[in-house]
Amino acid sequence: GENVEQHPSTLSVQEGDSAVIKCTYSDSASNYFPWYKQELGKGPQLIIDIRSNVGEKKDQRIAVTLNKTAKHFSLHITETQPEDSAVYFCAASLMDTGRRALTFGSGTRLQVQP
Amino acid sequence: AAGVIQSPRHLIKEKRETATLKCYPIPRHDTVYWYQQGPGQDPQFLISFYEKMQSDKGSIPDRFSAQQFSDYHSELNMSSLELGDSALYFCASSSDRDNYGYTFGSGTRLTVV
Repeated sequence: GENVEQHPSTLSVQEGDSAVIKCTYSDSASNYFPWYKQELGKGPQLIIDIRSNVGEKKDQRIAVTLNKTAKHFSLHITETQPEDSAVYFCAASLMDTGRRALTFGSGTRLQVQP
Repeated sequence: AAGVIQSPRHLIKEKRETATLKCYPIPRHDTVYWYQQGPGQDPQFLISFYEKMQSDKGSIPDRFSAQQFSDYHSELNMSSLELGDSALYFCASSSDRDNYGYTFGSGTRLTVV
């Protein structure tokens, strides 16, 4: 099955700085890579996703890059704000008619210092 | 916009009791997933349903069962509860019309005492 590793486990940055979280996956068949933000006591919230036919995707201050050859993908948050503080999870899956489940990374606790 | 609705939000049960968690997916979403998240851990996939049929199975204990009904809502039934079952249980739904993107509910916090 799929195995997703995520680094770092904790990340502390100053407000306005950039934050980068990296993930690697094991199953070369995986084709869908979402990122989730989870605040305390809440469900994971999709913030951005990328599919294997795209190398990079950007949405305002958030960007994700994918390197299929190396089987890794990264989340980049620029101009961080205190409200970005949360736990971030990467995930991977093979999205096909079989409705495959997501395999999550172990999470990164991001703390943005004001 | 309508989201995934889970009930109850909190549940306290004693060991060996049973519990039923409910999930109402986003309207017109045809796939429902159940995940278990222990304290400080990542969500672990339990089971999923597509068009009322089980479509994928993860690390769901034999003591647990689930089903999806004709109105697409799903229920997770948990029997012979153990202390280790205490966790957040999330439901998510998706549809190929939304490019398979998941939307998670707010979860049910189950505490077994």
